[in-house]
Amino acid sequence: DVKVTQSSRYLVKRTGEKVFLECVQDMDHENMFWYRQDPGLGLRLIYFSYDVKMKEKGDIPEGYSVSREKKERFSLILESASTNQTSMYLCASRPRQGRYSNQPQHFGDGTRLSIL
Amino acid sequence: AQTVTQSQPEMSVQEAETVTLSCTYDTSESNYYLFWYKQPPSRQMILVIRQEAYKQQNATENRFSVNFQKAAKSFSLKISDSQLGDTAMYFCAFVLPRSVNRDDKIIFGKGTRLHILP
Repeated sequence: DVKVTQSSRYLVKRTGEKVFLECVQDMDHENMFWYRQDPGLGLRLIYFSYDVKMKEKGDIPEGYSVSREKKERFSLILESASTNQTSMYLCASRPRQGRYSNQPQHFGDGTRLSIL
Repeated sequence: AQTVTQSQPEMSVQEAETVTLSCTYDTSESNYYLFWYKQPPSRQMILVIRQEAYKQQNATENRFSVNFQKAAKSFSLKISDSQLGDTAMYFCAFVLPRSVNRDDKIIFGKGTRLHILP
């Protein structure tokens, strides 16, 4: 079974702090994703990476950055945390698709982040 | 751009009843894939069922089945004999094949919160 591990289930930080959320997957997937999940808004893509050191902005990248130095690890960074970044953060991974394949994403347990 | 719409933000049904969650999507492509994901309270999101658009037969996984209407761009999820453990948020999702979608991004609906009542 694919295992996607997020470093913290719950995290409380203060406004202005630099926050790191870590995600590790054990299935050698090329693609990794960071989402935030808010009531009524569903999942919104923050950033994704399709290879080591490669990253692309999702739908809401402002206030976030990412790092992917190793294939199995994808980090989300809140450069200067603000209260509107209080949310549930989900990491996911997915193998690179063949031309016509349809592998689903595999998700971590999520990190509930509170910014005070 | 592709979009996914789940028109029911929240639903409640009695245990053992059958419930249908609706999902519609919009795309101009003819080949794509559809998924239903389940996120139980405080637990990991997991795949429930998947459907390839080129397959006419509706996918089934035990008590979960889909009604895929390609012309109507509809992909509803039916849960038969619902159980308390089916209480969760359900997300419908859409993805294009890599031949079209270099980014491999999956597009999610906003979710339907389903409560199974004892």
